[in-house]
Amino acid sequence: QVQLQESGPGLVKPSQTLSLTCTASGGSISTGGYHWSWIRQHPRKGLEWIGYIYYSGSTYYNPSLQSRVTISIDTSRNQFSLKLTSVTAADTAVYYCARVDRSMPYNWFDPWGQGTLVTVSS
Amino acid sequence: DIQMTQSPSSLSASVGDRITITCRASQSISTYLNWYQQKPGKAPKVLIYAVSNLQSGVPSRFSGSGSGTDFTLTISSLQPEDFATYYCQESHSSPLTFGGGTKVEIK
Repeated sequence: QVQLQESGPGLVKPSQTLSLTCTASGGSISTGGYHWSWIRQHPRKGLEWIGYIYYSGSTYYNPSLQSRVTISIDTSRNQFSLKLTSVTAADTAVYYCARVDRSMPYNWFDPWGQGTLVTVSS
Repeated sequence: DIQMTQSPSSLSASVGDRITITCRASQSISTYLNWYQQKPGKAPKVLIYAVSNLQSGVPSRFSGSGSGTDFTLTISSLQPEDFATYYCQESHSSPLTFGGGTKVEIK
């Protein structure tokens, strides 16, 4: 079964760009049928969907972040990535990647990566 | 955006208790409602999708119900491994949104 693993810097300076990668193992992200997602969780707070991408490159973003977010996919590496520009302390969170099954209309996230904490600080 | 409101935000219960968590949507979401369990330091794990369908491997003591705007997650007999935080998530429309969570603690 597919497993997901996030990677990237744990510390980003204010106004810079946060960049994370999610690597899938145990299955191909180019087989179709799934959306590949990013979700974040602010410290001691709830969960926020950032957006997702299909293997074809079609993307869907949360409007609250759309002006700063880019999600891309590299099927040759079995990876998809998140870039968030102009970060502030409010972007400090645990970032998760997850999969959504497109064949079902109910868009639940499964599986999830283990998550990676990104702190925005100078 | 659809707002998802969970109640209570936390509860204390004992092993063997029956507990119910409520999730209310700011507008009708039909049956587009999923539930997750999150333990400290871990990613959320889906328990139930489409209101009442148990994900594979989830114990039958978990159940869900509701439609429209009001939904519940019930644990029929709380086990030690069930002490965690539970989130609802709507998938009716974009952006997908989550409830604020309900933390279930040991009494």
